Amino acid sequence: NAGVTQTPKFQVLKTGQSMTLQCAQDMNHNSMYWYRQDPGMGLRLIYYSASEGTTDKGEVPNGYNVSRLNKREFSLRLESAAPSQTSVYFCAGRGTGYTGELFFGEGSRLTVL
Amino acid sequence: LAKTTQPISMDSYEGQEVNITCSHNNIATNDYITWYQQFPSQGPRFIIQGYKTKVTNEVASLFIPADRKSSTLSLPRVSLSDTAVYYCLVGDGPIGAGSYQLTFGKGTKLSVIP
Repeated sequence: NAGVTQTPKFQVLKTGQSMTLQCAQDMNHNSMYWYRQDPGMGLRLIYYSASEGTTDKGEVPNGYNVSRLNKREFSLRLESAAPSQTSVYFCAGRGTGYTGELFFGEGSRLTVL
Repeated sequence: LAKTTQPISMDSYEGQEVNITCSHNNIATNDYITWYQQFPSQGPRFIIQGYKTKVTNEVASLFIPADRKSSTLSLPRVSLSDTAVYYCLVGDGPIGAGSYQLTFGKGTKLSVIP
């Protein structure tokens, strides 16, 4: 039972390159989330998926796309990376228990040169 | 969406009780209040959640006044290992009770001093 798994953990890109951050959960979460966290800042919501087959924009969606491939997987794609997208990205699943709490992955550290 | 406001940072000595207050003036009727803890290089993790009055678990207490426009996380007798960033989140709770768009504020950086 791995929880929420993110890959890769570290990535360096050049400006203009594209890449996909992968997130998979084995906790039967219906809702999944992508956040970014810049140094000394809180978490900002990029996109979320309330349930399989649906996705919605969060606070900072520009420059990103997402895919909810199935119930387990929620990927985040950067089509043309920019230095402003240098950040730590966290994926989370929302628990189905009473609290509906978020369970986070370990994060993916992305640097765009 | 309910926005939250917290102090940016707090310092405390080991062994003291720490209270961190969060303001959420436009909280909705269905919203719950949840606190998360984040250590460096890790994702946040759940501490405690409440809807009204007082909730206590093995690590913290959460106080919510009747108007629910604020909440206070209380950490009893903090230790060095409690040094972390603490976030107040408004909106999650039982599925369907609140919003799916869960946004965090900037959090409170708690530094525990020996």
